[in-house]
Formats: sequence, structure tokens, C-alpha cells
Amino acid sequence: GAVVSQHPSRVICKSGTSVKIECRSLDFQATTMFWYRQFPKQSLMLMATSNEGSKATYEQGVEKDKFLINHASLTLSTLTVTSAHPEDSSFYICSASPVAGPREDTQYFGPGTRLTVL
Amino acid sequence: DAKTTQPPSMDCAEGRAANLPCNHSTISGNEYVYWYRQIHSQGPQYIIHGLKNNETNEMASLIITEDRKSSTLILPHATLRDTAVYYCIAYNQAGTALIFGKGTTLSVSS
Repeated sequence: GAVVSQHPSRVICKSGTSVKIECRSLDFQATTMFWYRQFPKQSLMLMATSNEGSKATYEQGVEKDKFLINHASLTLSTLTVTSAHPEDSSFYICSASPVAGPREDTQYFGPGTRLTVL
Repeated sequence: DAKTTQPPSMDCAEGRAANLPCNHSTISGNEYVYWYRQIHSQGPQYIIHGLKNNETNEMASLIITEDRKSSTLILPHATLRDTAVYYCIAYNQAGTALIFGKGTTLSVSS
């Protein structure tokens, strides 16, 4: 139980295009999901907190107009990288916690999405 | 959340126990100690967590000192597939994000 999926797992796009990444909790509901970014040989860095039915909360230094987050349901959050540039190339990972039950204090992570912007 | 300190790297022979230390001397009373690991190019995987008592599950054991200022994750019989970066995180409540440090890179060799 407590599986989080991401789609796509890998994407290559041209500079200036937009890319949408989906994060789904497959067997539980999550009112809050989190988006992280990880550059090579570095740790995960929190980008934003995605709240179902309300606006996302962004960490300092993360452009909210560039990284659009939508959390339309209790099982789906999307991250759209708008007008992507090569410096946006990174490993994007989402996480979620069940809203209730014995595992509600534990966050589960998706497998990640590798974005390469040419 | 409390800051944690871990050694940057450790080596372990296959089949032996891997003992990964974590210092969290400023942990507060309501913060749990969580352990995750990240195998190369994958999302972090939950391992175990605890508050005061030692914990054991199918993956590992967690030993927390009585003063809660440090803990040790034990992989009883390390395999090559346990090679990963291990993160120790002090975390106090659902609904907030986990903040990752640099973790410990565990290398298991045959």
C-alpha cells in the first residue's frame, strides 16, 4: 500500500516549451502533496507544497509563474514547467501522505521524473 | 524541524550488518526520527520511523538513545541492493514537508 506514481518518468523537450508532470497517489487520498527538485549529486530540495483545492505554497526562490501547480483532486497533483530552459533540467519528485489511517504521518515518494531541456 | 548530522559515507561488506548513525541533539519532544533511502535515479523509499522506543520492521531496525539525541539505523544483513543514500530526518507533523540533508552514502560490496 501507499504507492505514489509519476508520469512521465522521463521527458526531453525543446527550450521554450512547457512540460506537465503528474503525481498520483494510487491507493490513498492526500490533501497535501509536495514537489521536490534534485540536481546531480545533490540532495532533494523542496519546491512547493500542493494543497487540494487551494493555491500552492512555494519555497523562497521558486518562481510560481514558472512552476505551475494544480491539485485538483485528493489523488492528483500536477507540476507544469512553463517556458522550460536548459537550467530547468533536473529530477522532479513528488511525495504525499495519507489523510488518515495508520500511515498518515509517513510520506511516500513517487519514482521521479527526469526532465531534460535541450 | 531539528537538524540532523550524518557521516557522508560508509562502507559495508555484503552479508554484514550496516549500522548508520545519526545525530539529532536538538530534536524536540514531538519530533519523530524518520529514515529514508534513495537508490540512484529513484524516488526516496521510506524505511522506518520512531519516537522514543526502538523499532523493527522487515527492512531494518531503529535504535534511539534514551535522551533521543542520536539514533542508529541497522540493516542486519546488507546486500548489494542496499547501496544507496540514507537520510535521517527529524519530523514533527503530517502536512509539512520533509527537509532532506546530505545523508550517508552507503556502499555495500561483495
